[in-house]
Amino acid sequence: TQLLEQSPQFLSIQEGENLTVYCNSSSVFSSLQWYRQEPGEGPVLLVTVVTGGEVKKLKRLTFQFGDARKDSSLHITAAQPGDTGLYLCAGPSSGAGGTSYGKLTFGQGTILTVHP
Amino acid sequence: NAGVMQNPRHLVRRRGQEARLRCSPMKGHSHVYWYRQLPEEGLKFMVYLQKENIIDESGMPKERFSAEFPKEGPSILRIQQVVRGDSAAYFCASSPVGGYGYTFGSGTRLTVV
Repeated sequence: TQLLEQSPQFLSIQEGENLTVYCNSSSVFSSLQWYRQEPGEGPVLLVTVVTGGEVKKLKRLTFQFGDARKDSSLHITAAQPGDTGLYLCAGPSSGAGGTSYGKLTFGQGTILTVHP
Repeated sequence: NAGVMQNPRHLVRRRGQEARLRCSPMKGHSHVYWYRQLPEEGLKFMVYLQKENIIDESGMPKERFSAEFPKEGPSILRIQQVVRGDSAAYFCASSPVGGYGYTFGSGTRLTVV
């Protein structure tokens, strides 16, 4: 069974600080996705990383996929209160039958709170 | 706005009743997925469907749960004889191709009393 472990589980910081969220696995993933979820709403896809070593930037957010495709990180520069939310990483599940692209394995999430 | 539409947003059922959750995918999306979210477990895959076909139901409990995506109309997740442990947020997602470009709905929060 593939698992994705996120750390830290909780993160409380002041506006303007930088932060990094980690998503680790002992398994290789063909790709990883990052989502942000606000209370009472569904997850919103932020980015998909596909190539080992890939770096993608989305304004103040930088996403990196590990060279071995077993881990990923999300770095936020100069965090703002609007960044508050639950951040989730997810990847297609693989089993004996191969990769099931329709079935995502999610990490437990990182709850980020940015104080004004 | 042609996002993924789920209804109802909130559903309260007594133990033993049936719950029906509906999901209309985004326009042009033919792949539908259902996930369940519990605070202590995170998002868990339940089932992946295309029109009139169940592609992967490996995350569905063996009893009381069923899902369909008919040729016409929304996808339905049906829970029979609900128990308190079924209380959770149920999310539907859709995509234009399998496994990529997921768009999630706002979810249905089921409470079993």
